[in-house]
Amino acid sequence: GQNIDQPTEMTATEGAIVQINCTYQTSGFNGLFWYQQHAGEAPTFLSYNVLDGLEEKGRFSSFLSRSKGYSYLLLKELQMKDSASYLCATGGGNKLTFGTGTQQKVEL
Amino acid sequence: SAVISQKPSRDICQRGTSLTIQCQVDSQVTMMFWYRQQPGQSLTLIATANQGSEATYESGFVIDKFPISRPNLTFSTLTVSNMSPEDSSIYLCSARDGMSGDEQFFGPGTRLTVL
Repeated sequence: GQNIDQPTEMTATEGAIVQINCTYQTSGFNGLFWYQQHAGEAPTFLSYNVLDGLEEKGRFSSFLSRSKGYSYLLLKELQMKDSASYLCATGGGNKLTFGTGTQQKVEL
Repeated sequence: SAVISQKPSRDICQRGTSLTIQCQVDSQVTMMFWYRQQPGQSLTLIATANQGSEATYESGFVIDKFPISRPNLTFSTLTVSNMSPEDSSIYLCSARDGMSGDEQFFGPGTRLTVL
């Protein structure tokens, strides 16, 4: 089975650095995905990790430790437009299993 | 990357009726999926739409309630049958095109309200 845990909600100020953690227990692991979802919109792909380590992509970076079943999404230089839900998902076979999502709020 | 459109974007339906949601991808894709996202919740996979054969359903979802078609590599439909208020949700189509590796793209979703 699949079990994915993320914090429900986080709040930070503009310009800050935020780390959103995700822990998972899953069978048939085939990579860890992060998606961003603004209210009322479809999820958009942010990152994909299949090997251990840090993947950097502009202001967003994602880290994976397969032995610990752990990932995090790092958001740098936080902007108001980053206010959204961030979804951690594990890939197994051909499908994705999503966590409950972390609602990230950004304050001035 | 694949661009996905869905119709209708939203609908309000009466209890006991059925609604068919269409999903169109702008390119041929290897895999298509249907997800449900209930208010304030994350995405739950309903089924994988298989081209030319019956869909593969996840635990808790059955073909009689959510019949799915996929006649070709760019199109799929999901029907929500005999609806009840508990079916009120956003239904999202997703696709994976094989050319973008493991990335899945999502359609804009269909917001369904059942009265």
